[in-house]
Amino acid sequence: DVQLLESGGGLVQPGGSLRLSCAASGFTFNNYAMNWVRQAPGKGLEWVSGISGSGGTTYYADSMKGRCTISRDNSRSTLYLQVNSLRAEDTAIYYCAKTYNSYWDYFDYWGQGTLLTVSS
Amino acid sequence: QSVLTQPPSASGTPGQRVTISCSGSNSNIGSNTVNWYQQLPGTAPKLLVYSNNQRPSGVPDRFSASNSGTSASLAISGLQSEDEADYYCAAWDDSLNGHVFGTGTKVTVL
Repeated sequence: DVQLLESGGGLVQPGGSLRLSCAASGFTFNNYAMNWVRQAPGKGLEWVSGISGSGGTTYYADSMKGRCTISRDNSRSTLYLQVNSLRAEDTAIYYCAKTYNSYWDYFDYWGQGTLLTVSS
Repeated sequence: QSVLTQPPSASGTPGQRVTISCSGSNSNIGSNTVNWYQQLPGTAPKLLVYSNNQRPSGVPDRFSASNSGTSASLAISGLQSEDEADYYCAAWDDSLNGHVFGTGTKVTVL
């Protein structure tokens, strides 16, 4: 069975940085593009970033461009999101989502999410 | 902000049919397939419909979807209490070079 397990969330002060992780299992990790999607408290879903299976191509939402870096370690089947210069509006549950195949495809599996709270 | 527009809420009694609209543009729904996600209270989103009108294994055929031009819609027939959830449309956007989600619709079973 496909499993995605996010970790690394927590309480961070404004201006701080954090790295989120997503450990994947149950599929050949390097064959699939992966994504981060976030959801602020009581709000809708917002795509944050995506990365190709090889890691050679990355995509970012305009709201996060320049402040975050997506990466992956295919040897460890793990996806990462480094977020810098954190603001209160970055407070959200961050979900890891597997793409069916290529970067433009739908998200067929989601993790349970990790909560990032930005507050002083 | 969301690029795809959905009504904030929809409701019906058990057994009724509910329809949710999703309005986009030429760069997203007009050019790429539409997918729908269901988010039950307190849980992660789940794929409900993909490639405009395909249901993953395990999704009841009460859920159907269609699209035309720059709009899409999701229909729930024979509404059941367990269908109370938030529903989101989504698509790839060629102009933004990224995925876009709808604003989300909360379905309430009266």
